[in-house]
Amino acid sequence: GAVVSQHPSRVICKSGTSVKIECRSLDFQATTMFWYRQFPKQSLMLMATSNEGSKATYEQGVEKDKFLINHASLTLSTLTVTSAHPEDSSFYICSPIFAGAPYFGPGTRLLVL
Amino acid sequence: EDQVTQSPEALRLQEGESSSLNCSYTVSGLRGLFWYRQDPGKGPEFLFTLYSAGEEKEKERLKATLTKKESFLHITAPKPEDSATYLCAVSDSNYQLIWGAGTKLIIKP
Repeated sequence: GAVVSQHPSRVICKSGTSVKIECRSLDFQATTMFWYRQFPKQSLMLMATSNEGSKATYEQGVEKDKFLINHASLTLSTLTVTSAHPEDSSFYICSPIFAGAPYFGPGTRLLVL
Repeated sequence: EDQVTQSPEALRLQEGESSSLNCSYTVSGLRGLFWYRQDPGKGPEFLFTLYSAGEEKEKERLKATLTKKESFLHITAPKPEDSATYLCAVSDSNYQLIWGAGTKLIIKP
């Protein structure tokens, strides 16, 4: 149980374009979802917390208008990076909560040229 | 202030050489302590949840234990495929997660 998928696994885009990352919990329903990003050789950095049907809560320094989070259903959450820039290049990971424990998707590697 | 500290930062072992990783924490109202392993370029893989002091959990060569101020991840007779970064996180009374910086484990054949 607690299988999480993310799509795409890798994406390369031009500066100024928007990228949508999907996170699905395949065999459970997740009321709460965390979104993280991780730079090379660094720890996970929490970006935002979302609860199904509610607006996401963003961590300090994370622009909510740049990183749009939609948690419209208990099995799907999306993160859209709008007007991406090279400094947004990172590894993005979703983390739904299952049975009180955070599980993680396989991650999405974003490279903005 | 809630805090999680993992030690050592890095650990190199020979195959078969047992050892332990430490996760020390100070948190108001522990809801749970979680262990994960992360391989390069992948998301963290869930290993264990511990809820109360004295609790122990095992999975293959790994055993996690919990006291009121720290957790140990014991690895018995490790193999090269156990090489990864091991992450510890705690959930506080507000269900906020506090992460340790991780221990990079390298098992040499």
